[in-house]
Amino acid sequence: EPEVTQTPSHQVTQMGQEVILRCVPISNHLYFYWYRQILGQKVEFLVSFYNNEISEKSEIFDDQFSVERPDGSNFTLKIRSTKLEDSAMYFCASSEARTGYGYTFGSGTRLTVV
Amino acid sequence: AQTVTQSQPEMSVQEAETVTLSCTYDTSENNYYLFWYKQPPSRQMILVIRQEAYKQQNATENRFSVNFQKAAKSFSLKISDSQLGDTAMYFCAFMGGGTASKLTFGTGTRLQVTL
Repeated sequence: EPEVTQTPSHQVTQMGQEVILRCVPISNHLYFYWYRQILGQKVEFLVSFYNNEISEKSEIFDDQFSVERPDGSNFTLKIRSTKLEDSAMYFCASSEARTGYGYTFGSGTRLTVV
Repeated sequence: AQTVTQSQPEMSVQEAETVTLSCTYDTSENNYYLFWYKQPPSRQMILVIRQEAYKQQNATENRFSVNFQKAAKSFSLKISDSQLGDTAMYFCAFMGGGTASKLTFGTGTRLQVTL
């Protein structure tokens, strides 16, 4: 069964450093998403991406965040200057269609900011 | 804005028994989609079942079924013949039917299946 692949599975970074979280969506999917889950809390939407541009973003997705699809396969989330409160699980997801279909989620990247 | 409420933070069920997890939501939309996702200890998010609001028939996937009450804005998940592998966090999620494609999640219910 096709998978969404995320790397790394766990990343530790110092406060103020830049991190890039990587995702390889399912190859025929057109819509890509990032969500985050602070430990013990609910999953929160960050951003959706279609046709090489952001289609929607939440208030969490401020100027320190950016997304990119640098080639035909990867989809990245960059956090420019990490804060302690950015520590969370970050999930990438992809879907075939815009709405109505459940996504396929990746297994997540646990980001720890120290 | 849509909200999703899961009022049961934790539940426990014995193996082979049936358990129902509750979910309510609030929306002004008439066309939308509802989902249940399972998150086992591995933290992966796995789609369990999906319901389209315009369909009156409740969705079923093997041992998993939903009770969708549109007027009451209720979307509960029933797990029959519970198995140890069903132990996980279960999240209810809402997706609007218009131009929005994001999922709005509830806070989750931690289900423990015991022997």
